[in-house]
Amino acid sequence: NAGVTQTPKFQVLKTGQSMTLQCAQDMNHNSMYWYRQDPGMGLRLIYYSASEGTTDKGEVPNGYNVSRLNKREFSLRLESAAPSQTSVYFCASSDLGGDGQPQHFGDGTRLSIL
Amino acid sequence: DQQVKQNSPSLSVQEGRISILNCDYTNSMFDYFLWYKKYPAEGPTFLISISSIKDKNEDGRFTVFLNKSAKHLSLHIVPSQPGDSAVYFCAASEGLSGGGADGLTFGKGTHLIIQP
Repeated sequence: NAGVTQTPKFQVLKTGQSMTLQCAQDMNHNSMYWYRQDPGMGLRLIYYSASEGTTDKGEVPNGYNVSRLNKREFSLRLESAAPSQTSVYFCASSDLGGDGQPQHFGDGTRLSIL
Repeated sequence: DQQVKQNSPSLSVQEGRISILNCDYTNSMFDYFLWYKKYPAEGPTFLISISSIKDKNEDGRFTVFLNKSAKHLSLHIVPSQPGDSAVYFCAASEGLSGGGADGLTFGKGTHLIIQP
């Protein structure tokens, strides 16, 4: 019963390097999300995908791109990493409709950019 | 401009007593509210939610109260247990799908410490 799986769990990059964070969910959810959490802050939405084939910007999209590969997988790419992107990244998924459906989160990817 | 505010960074409560965590919001379009619990090095775990058509929702030891006119919600934990020690995030969304469209807006969190 994996839920939302994120890889890798930890990564250290140099400024200017690129990287893709992977996320997969096994709950057959329609919607998927990427958040970042900085020290002393709440989670902030980077991008989301309401359904397969669609993606939209969230609150802090600059410097990131996303791909909804299929219903299960939603990846986040940093094309040219910057120290300001040092953060913990969380992927989440949820289903639509009904009386409210909570988002389910992975355990995060801790990313340091030197 | 923070739309969801948790003004207490930390709260210490004795085991067995009631824990009350507070949350204020400014966006009147929010109509679904959630509480998440987070342990270190783990992702947030859903705890309880409430839609704007209700003023109370209860699940075991956890009760969430919503005061729409004051734009305020609170989470009550009774009785508090050592395993409740964690960071609690208040979150809100527009749309009854609970974030199925636009994602969630989070507060900064309150670190709850349950003292034996």
